[in-house]
Order: sequence, then structure tokens, then C-alpha cells
Amino acid sequence: SQKIEQNSEALNIQEGKTATLTCNYTNYSPAYLQWYRQDPGRGPVFLLLIRENEKEKRKERLKVTFDTTLKQSLFHITASQPADSATYLCALDSYSDMRFGAGTRLTVKP
Amino acid sequence: SAVISQKPSRDICQRGTSLTIQCQVDSQVTMMFWYRQQPGQSLTLIATANQGSEATYESGFVIDKFPISRPNLTFSTLTVSNMSPEDSSIYLCSVEQGEKLFFGSGTQLSVL
Repeated sequence: SQKIEQNSEALNIQEGKTATLTCNYTNYSPAYLQWYRQDPGRGPVFLLLIRENEKEKRKERLKVTFDTTLKQSLFHITASQPADSATYLCALDSYSDMRFGAGTRLTVKP
Repeated sequence: SAVISQKPSRDICQRGTSLTIQCQVDSQVTMMFWYRQQPGQSLTLIATANQGSEATYESGFVIDKFPISRPNLTFSTLTVSNMSPEDSSIYLCSVEQGEKLFFGSGTQLSVL
């Protein structure tokens, strides 16, 4: 069966460090992969999209990699700040069938 | 980017009653999506609402339990019917623009 796993339920890091979140999938061939941020009491907010033929995408302090051989995406936040504390969701889309991971709750401590 | 107003933001309901959740989008969209997010779990698609036709429900969700209306291209409602404590969850509406999903702020539902 199709499965999307995000590395851990929670990740705690010190301010200024790089946060790395993992999204692994099985029995799936996504056309592209997306990352969303969700704050408590709010809906998810789109951050980045990376296509199956792309290896890496960057946006300001964010970087996403996509390895279709390993069936894995890594999401990096460099120079992390307490304001980056949130839950981060990965989502895989194979054209009209989008599925989400359960999310990783990131806490950046000052 | 689409802006979606969703209400109510939260509600506490008695078992056996129904709650209707509303979503208003600031632009016309063909499809609107309704998701459920249970604690610690991923977003699960309940149904896709198209204007002018019946909603398409995902496996495990039925129209009698989650009736949906889509009267025009900017508005949709989801009703959670005959509620039980197992329906306690966050419900989210969403639209797609340019491969990205935009979400409402969610409705936190607690059923006693």
C-alpha cells in the first residue's frame, strides 16, 4: 500500500542551526512533491514545490531535495529562528491524487 | 493566491447533532476540496466539490454522513451529520491554483 512517512513526530533544534526534515514514500510515483507549513489553529500554507525531474529547489532559507531513486525528499531550513517553529507537511501528487504525510513538529529554541 | 474564509473556527457539539461548515473563496474556482485532519495524523481527503454536479467522495466517506453543497464557484459547505465523538477532528476546505493548495483556517470540531 502507498505510504508517506515523515522522519519524526517532533524535532527540536537550537536557533541558528539547520533543521532537516525527511519525507519518505513507498509504492508511489509522484509527479511532484510539495512542502507546507502549518501553525496551530491554522490551515497549511504552501512553501515549495519540486518536480520529479528536479534535484533541488531553494527559496530564501529553505531548500528541498528530491531523490526519486531513494524515494525521499529532504527539507532544510538554514539559520533557523524561533519563528520557524511549526508543523511541516510533505505532500505527494501524482496528477489529481495528492496525499499528505502526518507532519513533523519543529521547535526552534532561542 | 486564493484567500479562503472558513467558519466556524471551532465548535463543541452534542452527539447526534449536525454541524455545517462554510467556506468562501475570494475568486472563482472549479473544484473545492474538503479534508479531515485527526490529531497526529495526515490530512485525509473527504470529497471534491464541483459546482453544478454532485461531490465526489473518497473511499470511507459517504454523502449521507458528509453532505456537501456547492451552489456557486466561490462557496461550499460541508455538513457533518449525526455526529459521534469519533468525528472530533479539524476540518479544512481547500482550493488548487497553479498546482498549489490553499487552505481555509480550519474548523476544530469536538463532539461530546
